[in-house]
Amino acid sequence: KAGVTQTPRYLIKTRGQQVTLSCSPISGHRSVSWYQQTPGQGLQFLFEYFSETQRNKGNFPGRFSGRQFSNSRSEMNVSTLELGDSALYLCASSSSGAYNEQFFGPGTRLTVL
Amino acid sequence: SQELEQSPQSLIVQEGKNLTINCTSSKTLYGLYWYKQKYGEGLIFLMMLQKGGEEKSHEKITAKLDEKKQQSSLHITASQPSHAGIYLCGADFTGGGNKLTFGTGTQLKVEL
Repeated sequence: KAGVTQTPRYLIKTRGQQVTLSCSPISGHRSVSWYQQTPGQGLQFLFEYFSETQRNKGNFPGRFSGRQFSNSRSEMNVSTLELGDSALYLCASSSSGAYNEQFFGPGTRLTVL
Repeated sequence: SQELEQSPQSLIVQEGKNLTINCTSSKTLYGLYWYKQKYGEGLIFLMMLQKGGEEKSHEKITAKLDEKKQQSSLHITASQPSHAGIYLCGADFTGGGNKLTFGTGTQLKVEL
């Protein structure tokens, strides 16, 4: 089975712009979670989508949003980018509910100038 | 996260030596995940331990969950250079869905 894929792998944006990141889960997986990783704050949970519905949400401002499509692919969007949004954005997929292994993608490295 | 404390922060061991990384929670754990990460890359799933206490092994890595102490340990036997990387523990505090809270990580270096 192919693993979790994320596109693009690298992205450079300027402050005030918006960005959309994409995540394709492992075939058959219905849950997709997004995380932000920075040197200062570590790895933090953004949100989780399951069957096209947001099931869990972390403590991030409304500028961070996401969605999931019927094929389980997910996108996250960050509007009005700030310098502090520079981070590695990781998505993880799992097969169904809780207590299932979460498999992570390689991440998208976002740099905001 | 203060809810999940990982120790030590960094570790340098000689090849062939054993080592242990600890992860202590201040809240009830429904599940505890261990991952390995190479700098700037995605996380590699190692093991998941469920509430109630468990012990799992894979190759030279053993993970345990002590429910009474709300603590997990990851033990590597006879370390190899391939074990080098950042080890992260992730906690499921909600018991539903896949919202994980991660520790700050342990950077492991294995010297030849």
